[in-house]
Amino acid sequence: DARVTQTPRHKVTEMGQEVTMRCQPILGHNTVFWYRQTMMQGLELLAYFRNRAPLDDSGMPKDRFSAEMPDATLATLKIQPSEPRDSAVYFCASGRGTGENIQYFGAGTRLSVL
Amino acid sequence: AQTVTQSQPEMSVQEAETVTLSCTYDTSESDYYLFWYKQPPSRQMILVIRQEAYKQQNATENRFSVNFQKAAKSFSLKISDSQLGDAAMYFCAYRRESGGSNYKLTFGKGTLLTVNP
Repeated sequence: DARVTQTPRHKVTEMGQEVTMRCQPILGHNTVFWYRQTMMQGLELLAYFRNRAPLDDSGMPKDRFSAEMPDATLATLKIQPSEPRDSAVYFCASGRGTGENIQYFGAGTRLSVL
Repeated sequence: AQTVTQSQPEMSVQEAETVTLSCTYDTSESDYYLFWYKQPPSRQMILVIRQEAYKQQNATENRFSVNFQKAAKSFSLKISDSQLGDAAMYFCAYRRESGGSNYKLTFGKGTLLTVNP
């Protein structure tokens, strides 16, 4: 049963620390998305990759956030330095990149920055 | 910019009955896709149903069906024979048909559905 895998599921850290979240997209999917979910803002897109190239990261605070795809099986989202306002659930999703490009979501990483 | 509005923050339904969740959207595009995702307490986002804007026929997936009104920009979800496992947050989402350049989803704020036994 193919699925998007995200690690860690939960992360508690102190303000100022670096946080790295990882995502393994479904094999064969060439589009990868990072979304952030908060009570106030709901679900919002942070970054979007196609064939490992970043196509849209306009939703991401550039001063502290960075997203990369070192290879087709791994996407990373880093926050450095982290702040309490970064506390949220971060979802990764992947899709085939054609037609409907249905996005399949991982279980998310719940980040708490103290 | 596209926006998606879910006007019902919370809904409740009795087990075995039918409930309809509302969603409206704003777009100037003529081709696009609409989705309903379910998020149970486990936090996993699960695709429930999807609709292509160019199709007039409403999509159906078992107990789930949509009422797609393109002119009114409305996309409601009907759940028939509600089950306890249907209790979750439901998100309506929009994606433009952009020829492959941008597949991002725009989500509504969600509707929390409670199913009463």
